[in-house]
Amino acid sequence: AQSVTQLDSQVPVFEEAPVELRCNYSSSVSVYLFWYVQYPNQGLQLLLKYLSGSTLVKGINGFEAEFNKSQTSFHLRKPSVHISDTAEYFCAVIPIGGTSYGKLTFGQGTILTVHP
Amino acid sequence: GAGVSQSPSNKVTEKGKDVELRCDPISGHTALYWYRQSLGQGLEFLIYFQGNSAPDKSGLPSDRFSAERTGGSVSTLTIQRTQQEDSAVYLCASSRDGLREQYFGPGTRLTVT
Repeated sequence: AQSVTQLDSQVPVFEEAPVELRCNYSSSVSVYLFWYVQYPNQGLQLLLKYLSGSTLVKGINGFEAEFNKSQTSFHLRKPSVHISDTAEYFCAVIPIGGTSYGKLTFGQGTILTVHP
Repeated sequence: GAGVSQSPSNKVTEKGKDVELRCDPISGHTALYWYRQSLGQGLEFLIYFQGNSAPDKSGLPSDRFSAERTGGSVSTLTIQRTQQEDSAVYLCASSRDGLREQYFGPGTRLTVT
């Protein structure tokens, strides 16, 4: 089985400041990794994904994440946030083997609040 | 192109009634998923359809929950004899091949009174 831990349930930050949302995972098999964003009263939207290749992946809205296999982490970063980035962010993994093949497991979410 | 759609967007029902929630996935996507999102429980996997294979029902919380997918496309999640703890947002997602990114619908907010 796999699990995803988002280390911060809430992250307040001022506009134009950098932000890092932390995600660690546990899995006995290889995984693909994702970050999703959920704006108030909306569904989940894919921010970025890591399937293979370069461990630094860039997504929409200026976000990027780095896959660190040795630390089993996939932290999300943005160098300068905007008010419109206020939302809940979910880290997720899909195992590419084993009994949970193809099933997305989510972290508990991090609420990012950007203050003016 | 069109994304994943779900209906209804909101459903209020009385305890003990049955409800049906519908999901229309992205055309051509072979994999379809149902999740439940509620306060304190986060996002829970419910059921997963992949092509013509038997669905993975391992996340269904009780036998009151069932789902079907007709013609490899539209899916219906049915909750029988609803309970107040069933109140949540039910999200549907589809994926091209079951391993890559999933695209989510806007969800159905279910309130059981």
